[in-house]
Amino acid sequence: AQSVAQPEDQVNVAEGNPLTVKCTYSVSGNPYLFWYVQYPNRGLQFLLKYITGDNLVKGSYGFEAEFNKSQTSFHLKKPSALVSDSALYFCAVSKGSGNTGKLIFGQGTTLQVKP
Amino acid sequence: DTEVTQTPKHLVMGMTNKKSLKCEQHMGHRAMYWYKQKAKKPPELMFVYSYEKLSINESVPSRFSPECPNSSLLNLHLHALQPEDSALYLCASSQGTDYQPQHFGDGTRLSIL
Repeated sequence: AQSVAQPEDQVNVAEGNPLTVKCTYSVSGNPYLFWYVQYPNRGLQFLLKYITGDNLVKGSYGFEAEFNKSQTSFHLKKPSALVSDSALYFCAVSKGSGNTGKLIFGQGTTLQVKP
Repeated sequence: DTEVTQTPKHLVMGMTNKKSLKCEQHMGHRAMYWYKQKAKKPPELMFVYSYEKLSINESVPSRFSPECPNSSLLNLHLHALQPEDSALYLCASSQGTDYQPQHFGDGTRLSIL
């Protein structure tokens, strides 16, 4: 069965410091991995995806993620955090059900960036 | 601004009422989704439409009835809901492949009295 784990409920970081939000996955076959962010009272916004190729993926708002096949991880990173990055972050894997793009989400990590 | 528009933004209804949630996208996407989300939790998939046909129903109670009138519109008809159905209901659309992202609306916050 395919699954996604986000081991931290909350990550706290000071503004200007680098941030990492962790994600590990378990899939059969090649994974299609996604990161989404959700601000209060908003829907999910797509940040970036890994399909194939370069293990370092760059996305929106200065975020990037590193795909590590041996560790089955897809951690989200940003070199310098902003207070406005404070939000709920979801990692997701495509279930590979063919032509519907069904997603399996992790439990989410709340990122708190303090001034 | 989101490219998936959901109305209304907020809805309060009694357990005997009938109401509908609406979702619209003009990105030419062929798959549309309904999710239910509780506070601080991941979205839970309810229904998937592919080419205007229902392709996935995640064992959702019959008091929720989806409808896809055309490729741009998705409705969720609500009837005889329970207090535990209070949640944020999100609509999303995508190209429908495993490697294309879903685009989400900002949701309808539903409260059942």
